[in-house]
Amino acid sequence: QKEVEQNSGPLSVPEGAIASLNCTYSDRGSQSFFWYRQYSGKSPELIMFIYSNGDKEDGRFTAQLNKASQYVSLLIRDSQPSDSATYLCAVRGRTGGGNKLTFGTGTQLKVEL
Amino acid sequence: GAVVSQHPSWVICKSGTSVKIECRSLDFQATTMFWYRQFPKQSLMLMATSNEGSKATYEQGVEKDKFLINHASLTLSTLTVTSAHPEDSSFYICSAPRPAGKTGELFFGEGSRLTVL
Repeated sequence: QKEVEQNSGPLSVPEGAIASLNCTYSDRGSQSFFWYRQYSGKSPELIMFIYSNGDKEDGRFTAQLNKASQYVSLLIRDSQPSDSATYLCAVRGRTGGGNKLTFGTGTQLKVEL
Repeated sequence: GAVVSQHPSWVICKSGTSVKIECRSLDFQATTMFWYRQFPKQSLMLMATSNEGSKATYEQGVEKDKFLINHASLTLSTLTVTSAHPEDSSFYICSAPRPAGKTGELFFGEGSRLTVL
C-alpha cells in the first residue's frame, strides 16, 4: 500500500463547478496534511494545510480532514481555467520525524470552458 | 514571505560529467533542506535531507556517492550529480521548512530540470 494515495485523473470539471480532490494515507499517526498545486514544468506551491479534523476554508478552497478514515480532501469552488494543474497531497509523519513530507502522485485537474 | 531560490533552472550536460545545483534560502536560515526528484507524470520523491554542518541523510535507494549534498551554511545547500547518465535526467527540487513553523510547511525552490545527453 502506498503511503499517500491519490487518483491520478484527469478530473475534468466545467468552469464554475466544484472540483473535489481526494487523498488517503496509510500512517495513522500522521500529523499534518498539505495540498500543493503544481503547474506543468513548475515547482509545487502551497494551497493550504490542515491538521485538525473537520473543515478549513480559505477563499475558494476548503480542505477536509477525517483522521479516523485517514482521508483528506480539497474542494475548489467556482473552478476557473487557471485552476487547471496537478494537485499534490502531502503528509507529514509522526512527531519526531522532522519536517519530511511524503507526497502522493497527484491528481490532474482540468477546468473546461 | 520566505523564499527559496534554486539555480540553475535548467541544465543540459553530456553523459559522464557532473552538475551542481544550488538551493538558497533568501531571507531566512534553514538548518535543514530537502532535495526531491520528480520524473515526468510522477510524484515528488524525497532523495535526501540536507543538514547544515553535518552529513546529509539519504533515502533508501539513493546513492550518496552519486548525489553529493553539501550544506555548508545556513542559507545554502548544493546537490551535485556526479558522472551523470541519461537516466538521471529529471526535475530536481529543493525545499526548506517554514522558519519557526510547527506544521511542517515547506517552501519549494523553482526546480532544476536536468537533461543528460
